[in-house]
Amino acid sequence: EVQLVESGGGLVQPGGSLRLSCAASGFTFSSYWMSWVRQAPGKGLEWVANIKQDGSEKNYVDSVKGRFTVSRDNAKNSLYLQMNSLRAEDTAVYYCTTVNYWGQGTLVIVSS
Amino acid sequence: EILMTQSPATLSVSPGERATLSCRASQSVSTNLAWYQQKPGQAPRLLFYGASTRATGIPARFSGSGSGTEFTLTISSLQSEDFAVYYCQQYNNWPWTFGQGTKVEIK
Repeated sequence: EVQLVESGGGLVQPGGSLRLSCAASGFTFSSYWMSWVRQAPGKGLEWVANIKQDGSEKNYVDSVKGRFTVSRDNAKNSLYLQMNSLRAEDTAVYYCTTVNYWGQGTLVIVSS
Repeated sequence: EILMTQSPATLSVSPGERATLSCRASQSVSTNLAWYQQKPGQAPRLLFYGASTRATGIPARFSGSGSGTEFTLTISSLQSEDFAVYYCQQYNNWPWTFGQGTKVEIK
Protein backbone atom coordinates (compact mmCIF):
# COMPACT_ATOMS: atom_id res chain seq x y z
CA GLU A 1 0.00 0.00 0.00
CA VAL A 2 1.28 3.43 -0.97
CA GLN A 3 1.70 5.81 1.95
CA LEU A 4 2.89 9.39 2.18
CA VAL A 5 3.05 10.69 5.72
CA GLU A 6 3.86 14.33 6.36
CA SER A 7 5.17 15.68 9.65
CA GLY A 8 6.79 18.79 11.07
CA GLY A 9 3.93 21.24 10.90
CA GLY A 10 2.92 23.47 13.77
CA LEU A 11 2.63 27.01 15.04
CA VAL A 12 5.54 29.33 14.27
CA GLN A 13 6.03 33.07 14.59
CA PRO A 14 6.45 35.30 11.53
CA GLY A 15 10.08 35.21 10.43
CA GLY A 16 10.58 31.76 11.90
CA SER A 17 11.50 28.45 10.31
CA LEU A 18 10.07 24.96 10.01
CA ARG A 19 11.20 21.80 8.29
CA LEU A 20 8.51 19.53 6.90
CA SER A 21 9.17 15.87 6.22
CA CYS A 22 7.34 13.31 4.14
CA ALA A 23 7.96 9.61 4.64
CA ALA A 24 7.13 7.49 1.61
CA SER A 25 6.45 3.77 1.42
CA GLY A 26 4.83 1.22 -0.86
CA PHE A 27 6.38 2.44 -4.09
CA THR A 28 9.80 3.11 -5.62
CA PHE A 29 10.34 6.59 -4.23
CA SER A 30 13.53 7.20 -6.22
CA SER A 31 11.62 6.81 -9.50
CA TYR A 32 9.23 9.72 -8.95
CA TRP A 33 9.30 13.46 -9.17
CA MET A 34 8.00 14.65 -5.80
CA SER A 35 6.13 17.80 -4.96
CA TRP A 36 4.76 19.95 -2.16
CA VAL A 37 1.31 21.48 -2.62
CA ARG A 38 -0.37 23.73 -0.08
CA GLN A 39 -3.89 24.84 0.72
CA ALA A 40 -4.65 27.84 2.86
CA PRO A 41 -7.66 27.42 5.18
CA GLY A 42 -10.86 27.49 3.11
CA LYS A 43 -8.93 28.27 -0.08
CA GLY A 44 -7.75 26.51 -3.22
CA LEU A 45 -4.61 24.57 -4.02
CA GLU A 46 -1.16 25.98 -4.81
CA TRP A 47 1.76 24.00 -6.18
CA VAL A 48 4.72 25.11 -4.06
CA ALA A 49 7.75 23.14 -5.27
CA ASN A 50 8.87 19.99 -6.99
CA ILE A 51 12.08 18.00 -7.25
CA LYS A 52 13.37 15.54 -9.80
CA GLN A 53 14.07 11.92 -9.00
CA ASP A 54 17.79 12.48 -8.34
CA GLY A 55 17.40 15.95 -6.85
CA SER A 56 19.18 17.60 -9.78
CA GLU A 57 16.22 19.79 -10.74
CA LYS A 58 14.00 21.83 -8.46
CA ASN A 59 11.24 24.30 -9.15
CA TYR A 60 9.56 26.81 -6.84
CA VAL A 61 6.55 29.08 -7.10
CA ASP A 62 7.66 32.71 -7.03
CA SER A 63 6.09 33.42 -3.63
CA VAL A 64 8.49 31.02 -1.87
CA LYS A 65 11.67 31.41 -3.94
CA GLY A 66 14.65 32.22 -1.76
CA ARG A 67 12.77 31.21 1.40
CA PHE A 68 11.84 27.54 0.88
CA THR A 69 14.14 24.67 -0.11
CA VAL A 70 12.93 21.28 -1.28
CA SER A 71 15.18 18.26 -0.89
CA ARG A 72 15.00 14.49 -0.79
CA ASP A 73 16.87 11.49 0.56
CA ASN A 74 16.22 8.50 -1.66
CA ALA A 75 18.02 6.20 0.76
CA LYS A 76 15.49 7.15 3.42
CA ASN A 77 12.49 7.41 1.06
CA SER A 78 11.93 10.90 2.36
CA LEU A 79 11.04 14.33 1.02
CA TYR A 80 11.68 17.57 2.87
CA LEU A 81 10.67 21.21 2.74
CA GLN A 82 12.81 23.69 4.66
CA MET A 83 10.77 26.83 5.19
CA ASN A 84 12.52 30.00 6.35
CA SER A 85 11.37 33.60 6.83
CA LEU A 86 7.81 32.39 7.23
CA ARG A 87 4.94 34.79 6.66
CA ALA A 88 1.29 34.78 7.68
CA GLU A 89 0.36 33.98 4.08
CA ASP A 90 2.31 30.71 4.32
CA THR A 91 -0.34 29.40 6.71
CA ALA A 92 -1.75 26.29 5.04
CA VAL A 93 -2.00 22.54 4.99
CA TYR A 94 1.07 21.25 3.16
CA TYR A 95 0.69 18.08 1.12
CA CYS A 96 3.42 15.81 -0.15
CA THR A 97 2.51 14.27 -3.49
CA THR A 98 3.67 12.26 -6.47
CA VAL A 99 0.57 13.56 -8.31
CA ASN A 100 -1.00 10.10 -8.25
CA TYR A 101 -0.54 9.71 -4.51
CA TRP A 102 -1.09 12.28 -1.79
CA GLY A 103 -0.40 12.43 1.90
CA GLN A 104 -2.99 13.69 4.35
CA GLY A 105 -1.10 16.91 4.90
CA THR A 106 0.47 18.77 7.79
CA LEU A 107 -0.82 22.11 9.04
CA VAL A 108 1.51 25.09 9.28
CA ILE A 109 0.26 28.17 11.12
CA VAL A 110 2.33 31.33 11.01
CA SER A 111 1.13 33.70 13.69
CA SER A 112 2.37 35.78 16.59
CA GLU B 1 2.08 32.24 -15.08
CA ILE B 2 -0.84 30.44 -16.71
CA LEU B 3 -4.19 31.38 -15.22
CA MET B 4 -6.74 28.59 -14.96
CA THR B 5 -10.39 29.64 -14.72
CA GLN B 6 -13.12 27.20 -13.75
CA SER B 7 -16.84 27.62 -14.21
CA PRO B 8 -19.24 27.61 -12.62
CA ALA B 9 -17.99 28.25 -9.10
CA THR B 10 -20.86 26.16 -7.72
CA LEU B 11 -22.98 23.59 -9.52
CA SER B 12 -26.19 22.35 -7.93
CA VAL B 13 -27.17 18.95 -9.29
CA SER B 14 -29.62 16.24 -8.29
CA PRO B 15 -28.35 12.67 -7.81
CA GLY B 16 -28.52 10.79 -11.10
CA GLU B 17 -28.21 13.93 -13.18
CA ARG B 18 -25.32 14.90 -15.44
CA ALA B 19 -22.74 17.49 -14.37
CA THR B 20 -20.50 19.41 -16.74
CA LEU B 21 -17.57 21.39 -15.37
CA SER B 22 -15.44 23.74 -17.46
CA CYS B 23 -11.82 24.84 -17.21
CA ARG B 24 -10.13 27.47 -19.35
CA ALA B 25 -6.41 28.23 -19.57
CA SER B 26 -5.06 31.70 -20.29
CA GLN B 27 -2.76 30.18 -22.93
CA SER B 28 -2.44 26.78 -24.52
CA VAL B 29 -1.44 23.94 -22.23
CA SER B 30 -1.80 21.30 -24.95
CA THR B 31 -3.27 18.28 -23.11
CA ASN B 32 -1.10 18.77 -20.02
CA LEU B 33 -4.16 19.10 -17.83
CA ALA B 34 -5.23 17.18 -14.74
CA TRP B 35 -8.48 17.04 -12.79
CA TYR B 36 -8.72 16.41 -9.04
CA GLN B 37 -11.58 15.74 -6.66
CA GLN B 38 -11.39 16.95 -3.07
CA LYS B 39 -13.79 16.20 -0.25
CA PRO B 40 -13.84 18.11 3.04
CA GLY B 41 -10.92 17.22 5.28
CA GLN B 42 -9.31 15.03 2.64
CA ALA B 43 -6.37 15.32 0.29
CA PRO B 44 -7.06 15.84 -3.41
CA ARG B 45 -7.58 12.72 -5.50
CA LEU B 46 -6.31 12.54 -9.07
CA LEU B 47 -9.12 11.86 -11.54
CA PHE B 48 -7.53 12.54 -14.94
CA TYR B 49 -4.21 13.39 -16.47
CA GLY B 50 -3.43 14.17 -20.08
CA ALA B 51 -6.85 15.84 -20.13
CA SER B 52 -8.71 12.60 -20.79
CA THR B 53 -6.79 9.65 -19.30
CA ARG B 54 -8.61 8.29 -16.29
CA ALA B 55 -6.44 7.63 -13.22
CA THR B 56 -6.46 4.22 -11.59
CA GLY B 57 -9.75 3.31 -9.99
CA ILE B 58 -11.77 6.23 -11.35
CA PRO B 59 -15.28 5.12 -12.39
CA ALA B 60 -16.32 5.29 -16.04
CA ARG B 61 -19.08 7.80 -15.26
CA PHE B 62 -16.29 10.38 -15.13
CA SER B 63 -14.92 11.63 -18.44
CA GLY B 64 -12.46 14.35 -19.40
CA SER B 65 -11.98 16.12 -22.68
CA GLY B 66 -10.38 19.11 -24.34
CA SER B 67 -7.04 20.47 -25.47
CA GLY B 68 -5.32 23.79 -25.83
CA THR B 69 -7.25 26.21 -23.65
CA GLU B 70 -10.68 24.60 -23.19
CA PHE B 71 -11.34 21.55 -21.05
CA THR B 72 -14.38 19.76 -19.68
CA LEU B 73 -15.00 17.28 -16.88
CA THR B 74 -18.28 15.41 -17.17
CA ILE B 75 -19.94 13.22 -14.58
CA SER B 76 -22.63 11.30 -16.43
CA SER B 77 -24.85 10.34 -13.49
CA LEU B 78 -23.99 11.88 -10.16
CA GLN B 79 -23.68 9.55 -7.20
CA SER B 80 -23.78 10.68 -3.58
CA GLU B 81 -20.03 10.20 -3.25
CA ASP B 82 -19.36 12.60 -6.15
CA PHE B 83 -20.43 15.73 -4.28
CA ALA B 84 -17.13 17.50 -3.75
CA VAL B 85 -14.89 20.26 -5.05
CA TYR B 86 -13.19 19.67 -8.40
CA TYR B 87 -9.97 21.36 -9.50
CA CYS B 88 -8.28 21.51 -12.87
CA GLN B 89 -4.50 21.95 -12.97
CA GLN B 90 -2.04 22.58 -15.79
CA TYR B 91 1.43 21.10 -15.84
CA ASN B 92 2.54 22.45 -19.21
CA ASN B 93 4.52 25.36 -17.77
CA TRP B 94 6.05 26.02 -14.38
CA PRO B 95 4.60 27.16 -12.07
CA TRP B 96 1.99 24.46 -12.31
CA THR B 97 -1.30 26.16 -11.53
CA PHE B 98 -4.77 25.16 -10.37
CA GLY B 99 -8.14 26.60 -11.13
CA GLN B 100 -10.09 28.02 -8.21
CA GLY B 101 -12.35 24.97 -8.07
CA THR B 102 -15.96 24.07 -8.80
CA LYS B 103 -18.09 22.91 -5.90
CA VAL B 104 -20.63 20.27 -6.91
CA GLU B 105 -23.43 20.32 -4.37
CA ILE B 106 -26.68 18.46 -3.92
CA LYS B 107 -29.69 20.25 -5.39
